[in-house]
Amino acid sequence: LAKTTQPISMDSYEGQEVNITCSHNNIATNDYITWYQQFPSQGPRFIIQGYKTKVTNEVASLFIPADRKSSTLSLPRVSLSDTAVYYCLVGDDTGGFKTIFGAGTRLFVKA
Amino acid sequence: KAGVTQTPRYLIKTRGQQVTLSCSPISGHRSVSWYQQTPGQGLQFLFEYFSETQRNKGNFPGRFSGRQFSNSRSEMNVSTLELGDSALYLCASSLGDRGKDTFGSGTRLTVV
Repeated sequence: LAKTTQPISMDSYEGQEVNITCSHNNIATNDYITWYQQFPSQGPRFIIQGYKTKVTNEVASLFIPADRKSSTLSLPRVSLSDTAVYYCLVGDDTGGFKTIFGAGTRLFVKA
Repeated sequence: KAGVTQTPRYLIKTRGQQVTLSCSPISGHRSVSWYQQTPGQGLQFLFEYFSETQRNKGNFPGRFSGRQFSNSRSEMNVSTLELGDSALYLCASSLGDRGKDTFGSGTRLTVV
C-alpha cells in the first residue's frame, strides 16, 4: 500500500482558499486517492475521491497531476467550521479495500 | 437515512477483562471496517468484513477479533484488555467500493 505524506499543520484565515498537498510516490496503477475530514471526537467524514486530473464536488476540489505521485485538496473560502484534521489516503479495492490513515493535516482557520 | 450506529458510546473496563463493541451499518452497506484511534498512533485499521467474511486485517494482536452477521451488523471483541487498549474505536460502513466509508461516532473505551 502506498504511503502518504502530508504537512502536519496549516493555518489559514476565513474566506481564503486552502490547498493541502499530499505526496504518494509509490501509488499503484489501481489506487484511488481519497480525502477525509475529522472533527474532534467524531469519526472521519468522506470529502472527495479521484483517480486522475481534477474532481470537484460541492465541498472541495481534488487536483491530481498526470504522474499521480501527489494530489492537492482545495477548500474554497474556508470558514471557522473547516478547522479539522484532513487525511489523504490511497488504496484500491483489489481483494478488498484496506485503508491506511496517515497522521493527517491539522488545519486551523482563524477569524 | 440513519447513519452508522455504534454502541455503547462510552465504556470503562478493567485490565484483563474483555469487551464487545457493536456497530450497525447504514442499511444496504455490506462492508464494515473497524479502526482504533489514539493520540499517539492516530487512526489504525483493525479489520474489514464484507458479507460476513473478514476481507482485510491490520497489524493487531489476536486479542482483537470481530465478526459480521447476516444483517451486516458487526461486533468487535477485545480480550484480556490492556491499558494501551484505551482508545476511540471507530466503525465505518460502505457498499464495498474504494474507501468511500461512512464512519460512526465511535466508542470511547477506557481501560483502568
